[in-house]
Amino acid sequence: AQSVAQPEDQVNVAEGNPLTVKCTYSVSGNPYLFWYVQYPNRGLQFLLKYITGDNLVKGSYGFEAEFNKSQTSFHLKKPSALVSDSALYFCAATSGGSYIPTFGRGTSLIVHP
Amino acid sequence: DAGVIQSPRHEVTEMGQEVTLRCKPISGHDYLFWYRQTMMRGLELLIYFNNNVPIDDSGMPEDRFSAKMPNASFSTLKIQPSEPRDSAVYFCASRTGPYNEQFFGPGTRLTVL
Repeated sequence: AQSVAQPEDQVNVAEGNPLTVKCTYSVSGNPYLFWYVQYPNRGLQFLLKYITGDNLVKGSYGFEAEFNKSQTSFHLKKPSALVSDSALYFCAATSGGSYIPTFGRGTSLIVHP
Repeated sequence: DAGVIQSPRHEVTEMGQEVTLRCKPISGHDYLFWYRQTMMRGLELLIYFNNNVPIDDSGMPEDRFSAKMPNASFSTLKIQPSEPRDSAVYFCASRTGPYNEQFFGPGTRLTVL
């Protein structure tokens, strides 16, 4: 069975500082990994994905994520946080054996001015 | 493209009433998903369709819930009769292909009194 863990319910960071939102996954076979962002009263928006290739994936709004196969992790990062990055972030994973991604519980990112 | 369209955006109804939520996926997308989001349970997959055919409805909580996709551009999620515990935000999402990112609609906030 697939599973995704986002160990932090909330991450607090000061504006201008780097941010990391953690995600670990468990799937059978090669993983397909995604990050989504949800702003208040909105649907989830796709940020970036890892299918194959470079372990560092670049996405929208300056976000990037690092795929680490040995640690089964796919942490979301940004070098310099903005107050407008404050939102709920979801990690999702699937594999070749399933067409349905499993979502994590979400991490609330709060960027302080 | 206008993205995934959902209606209504807000629905307030009384216990026992029938509720119908509507979704128009992005043109050309062959997968459609219905999710429910609550604070307690997070994001739950209710059912998904591939080429208008329901593939997995194991997430539908009870027989009170039903979903249809009569054509490639329209889907409905019906709750009959509705109960207060059905109060949640319901999202529709679509995608092309089995491993690509999903595009979410803005959601329908359902309140059952």
